[in-house]
Amino acid sequence: GAVVSQHPSWVICKSGTSVKIECRSLDFQATTMFWYRQFPKQSLMLMATSNEGSKATYEQGVEKDKFLINHASLTLSTLTVTSAHPEDSSFYICSARTPARGRTGELFFGEGSRLTVL
Amino acid sequence: KNQVEQSPQSLIILEGKNCTLQCNYTVSPFSNLRWYKQDTGRGPVSLTIMTFSENTKSNGRYTATLDADTKQSSLHITASQLSDSASYICVVSAGSNYQLIWGAGTKLIIKP
Repeated sequence: GAVVSQHPSWVICKSGTSVKIECRSLDFQATTMFWYRQFPKQSLMLMATSNEGSKATYEQGVEKDKFLINHASLTLSTLTVTSAHPEDSSFYICSARTPARGRTGELFFGEGSRLTVL
Repeated sequence: KNQVEQSPQSLIILEGKNCTLQCNYTVSPFSNLRWYKQDTGRGPVSLTIMTFSENTKSNGRYTATLDADTKQSSLHITASQLSDSASYICVVSAGSNYQLIWGAGTKLIIKP
């Protein structure tokens, strides 16, 4: 199946610093990528939809100035957590959607990035 | 309000046994229903995707069913293995923009 690579898999940073997470679709072009965060024992929560060449669409309650998303190419989207604080510590996961055959595009997920802010 | 509810919240079974996980949804308009397996600390992996016209779909020891009339789906796992221990998440896609509605997941533990 298609592969989505996420990097780094884990990162520890000091409060106030910014952290960038990369999401790459390795063997297909993804016009749409999604960013999620997941707290322990909870399901994934969609943060934003990243569209290649245009601004990301953020879910209600997600600060776009804090979680900067860039989708500069068909295979790469980045999430930057700016001025990170301990409450931003979470598991961040990206997914990429393959071009839809018919009406159903397949979603492939990255392995996730564990962010710990001290 | 679009919602996806899964049951049970958690389940413990012995290796080799079968089990069935449930997913009920109130999503409109319905586009498709997906089951994902998520190991702890990993990203979800797709098991099945079913559209409105599909009643059942298998992927190895995993068989998903869909009843679009009652808006229910189930995931049946046959001859469970220790590696089946994971969270299983039901996701329903809604509308023309394929908005994804996520269930909270069922945490399955397989004991030897």
